[in-house]
Amino acid sequence: GNSVTQMEGPVTLSEEAFLTINCTYTATGYPSLFWYVQYPGEGLQLLLKATKADDKGSNKGFEATYRKETTSFHLEKGSVQVSDSAVYFCALSGTSYGKLTFGQGTILTVHP
Amino acid sequence: EAGVTQFPSHSVIEKGQTVTLRCDPISGHDNLYWYRRVMGKEIKFLLHFVKESKQDESGMPNNRFLAERTGGTYSTLKVQPAELEDSGVYFCASSFRTAITDTQYFGPGTRLTVL
Repeated sequence: GNSVTQMEGPVTLSEEAFLTINCTYTATGYPSLFWYVQYPGEGLQLLLKATKADDKGSNKGFEATYRKETTSFHLEKGSVQVSDSAVYFCALSGTSYGKLTFGQGTILTVHP
Repeated sequence: EAGVTQFPSHSVIEKGQTVTLRCDPISGHDNLYWYRRVMGKEIKFLLHFVKESKQDESGMPNNRFLAERTGGTYSTLKVQPAELEDSGVYFCASSFRTAITDTQYFGPGTRLTVL
């Protein structure tokens, strides 16, 4: 079946540091890939997505590229801010009905 | 436009009691999903409605869980009787199309604690 493996956390960075959160997946066919973010006290929000190989999703300075050859969708940001502190979830949708398979989530804390 | 709403935000019940969670999807979204996150683990799929029909309920853990979506609008998820392992955060999501490329919009979740 489908599965998503995410970098173990928590991740602690100083403001303006470079961020990478690794995500790899196992799926048959051609899944769509997503990054969701959950800020403290809030629900999940879509951060970015990519629906086919070599697509790059981007939003709020975050980027992730759909790499089919390495089955990866790593999240990156060049300069993190304190306000980026949140839990980040990698997910895939690999069936025609769209149900999501999630990774375990990575807690990011950014210090001033 | 209102987002996905869930009620209650928190629920604390005793083992053996019944709890009903409610989800109101975004207006016009035919697809409604329930997910659950238990004890900091990954978020897991429970079931999927298309309008009022259950499209996929492969993630429902057992027959103590009953989901309904009467009239294809809001949905309820009932747990009866609740067990300790049912504690977690229950998320609802909705989407416009039934497609793997479509974005699912999530509600804030209901935190269920079973004592």
